[in-house]
Formats: sequence, C-alpha cells, structure tokens
Amino acid sequence: EVQLVEAGGGLVQPGGSLRLSCAASGFTFSSYSMNWVRQAPGKGLEWVSYISSGSSTIYYADSVKGRFTISRDNAKNSLYLQMNSLRAEDTAMYYCARGGTGSGWSAFDYWGQGTLVTVSS
Amino acid sequence: QSVLTQPPSGSGTPGQRVTISCSGSSSNIGSNAVNWYQQLPGTAPKLLIYSNNQRPSGVPDRFSGSKSGTSASLAISGLQSEDEADYYCAAWDDSLKGWVFGGGTKVTVL
Repeated sequence: EVQLVEAGGGLVQPGGSLRLSCAASGFTFSSYSMNWVRQAPGKGLEWVSYISSGSSTIYYADSVKGRFTISRDNAKNSLYLQMNSLRAEDTAMYYCARGGTGSGWSAFDYWGQGTLVTVSS
Repeated sequence: QSVLTQPPSGSGTPGQRVTISCSGSSSNIGSNAVNWYQQLPGTAPKLLIYSNNQRPSGVPDRFSGSKSGTSASLAISGLQSEDEADYYCAAWDDSLKGWVFGGGTKVTVL
C-alpha cells in the first residue's frame, strides 16, 4: 500500500525557517518524481515544487522561489522541503504528492495527509 | 487569481448530471493533459481523472473528463450525496514551468 506521511509542520514566526519531510513507503520511491502542494486555510490548491526521481530536475512556484528548497534522499525514501524567510502568506497545509515515472508530466496519484504550517508572531 | 478558471460552485439533485468547466490557455491545457482532483471535506485531495479522460482504478464510471482546445470539463452523472466535495483541475504550464490549478469548484448535492 502506497503511503506518504508528512511531518515537520508547526508554528513559526515571520522570517523563520522550517523543514518539512515526507516519508514514503509501499512503492519504489527512487523511480518517481515528487511534488509539494499547499492549501491555505479555506483556499484552493497551490503547487509549490517538483523534483524528478534522481533530483536532476527541480522546479518552484514563483511565490516560493529563492526561499524554499526541495530535496530528496532515495536511500531513506524521503522527500524534504526546506522553507526559509517564511511569511504569513505561507501559512497552509502542505501535502507531498507522488508524480510519475519517466518523462512527461504525470498526475499526482497519491497524496499524504498533510502537515500544517502556521506563520505568525 | 488562478491560472485555470473554474466556476466557484455547482449543484444538482441526486441522480442529476453536473458539469464543471476548466478554462486555460495554449501553454497549459492547450499543450498538456488535464487532471482532476476531488477533495472531500477535511481530507487530502484524491486523483479523480488523469490524462484528460482516464479514471484511476476504483473511481466510479459516473465521473468522466474531456478536453477540447484550451478548455476541459468534468462531468458527474447520477449525482450522489457522497459526491459533495471540492473539485480541482490541473495541468502543467510550459511557460511558467510549473503545475497550475484551477480555483476549485464546490459541488453541492441538493
């Protein structure tokens, strides 16, 4: 059974940092691209970042570029999101979502349950 | 303001057919596949339709997707109470180099 379990969310002050993690199981993690998607309270879904299976290709939404860093450790079946210079508008539920194998832009077929990040003084 | 445009709400009585539109541009829907996600209240999103019109295993055939040019649509036929949820379209955008989502459509079963 495919499982994605996020952790690392919490309350942080504006300008602070937080590192999210996503533990994957039930599939060959190293074969799949991964994504982070967030959802502000009462709002819609916003894609945050993409990383290819071997970490060679990485993309970010303009809203987080230069502040967030996505990474993965295939030996540990884990995905990460380092978030720096956090702003109030980064407050959201953060989901990790599995992409596809190979080339092309695959749908997000499995999602974690999310971890809540609150940026407030 | 979302890159993909969806109506904010839709509704129908049980058994009716509901259609949700998703409008984009040549850099996203016009050149890439559209995926649809269902988000039940208080839960994580779930893949509903991929590659414009494909259903993942376990998704009822009441759900169908289509795409034409720079627009796509999701149809729910035989609406059921458990279909009350938020629905999002998404596509890769070649210009933005990222995934773009619609603003979401809240479907209410009357």
